[in-house]
Amino acid sequence: DTGVSQNPRHKITKRGQNVTFRCDPISEHNRLYWYRQTLGQGPEFLTYFQNEAQLEKSRLLSDRFSAERPKGSFSTLEIQRTEQGDSAMYLCASSLGQGYQPQHFGDGTRLSIL
Amino acid sequence: DQQVKQNSPSLSVQEGRISILNCDYTNSMFDYFLWYKKYPAEGPTFLISISSIKDKNEDGRFTVFLNKSAKHLSLHIVPSQPGDSAVYFCAASGNQFYFGTGTSLTVIP
Repeated sequence: DTGVSQNPRHKITKRGQNVTFRCDPISEHNRLYWYRQTLGQGPEFLTYFQNEAQLEKSRLLSDRFSAERPKGSFSTLEIQRTEQGDSAMYLCASSLGQGYQPQHFGDGTRLSIL
Repeated sequence: DQQVKQNSPSLSVQEGRISILNCDYTNSMFDYFLWYKKYPAEGPTFLISISSIKDKNEDGRFTVFLNKSAKHLSLHIVPSQPGDSAVYFCAASGNQFYFGTGTSLTVIP
């Protein structure tokens, strides 16, 4: 399977704990995006990378959130001191960087905060 | 501030008929529009897109229409099949991608 891969698929944790999610994009894609989706809503943009450079961050991305893409391949999204409101589906997508190119999504990581 | 809106949360259509899903946007700077389909427990799957220089794009049973003056796009599926039952999201691209809240389509056999 050469699609976007996200791990883990589900994460349950206690409030206050730190969590880290991983995304492996389609290999030739140089752009990588993180989104958050809650029930009844569409995906909300969090941040995106062009290769290893983080080019844009949403104001939704509080100081407790950090994303990295150290070698321009896989990416991690870390949430520190999790809160109840962080419960959501976290989606990763990738695309080619030039021209009008669609994003291809992974199946997401569902985060539940107890 | 919802820049992309899908005002119909749900739609039911008989198999074989046309499904029309609608989407409105507010930002005239958006230059690329997409439709995604989502099944439960899966990520959105890209369906079809259109750039702002066109007003129609067709791919098999799927056609997207763009009306820039009305800031409106629509997705036509014809003929509709039961396997098309899913949530459909429209998205628009400016400096980032903005998604609507989705329309749940049910195709009745």
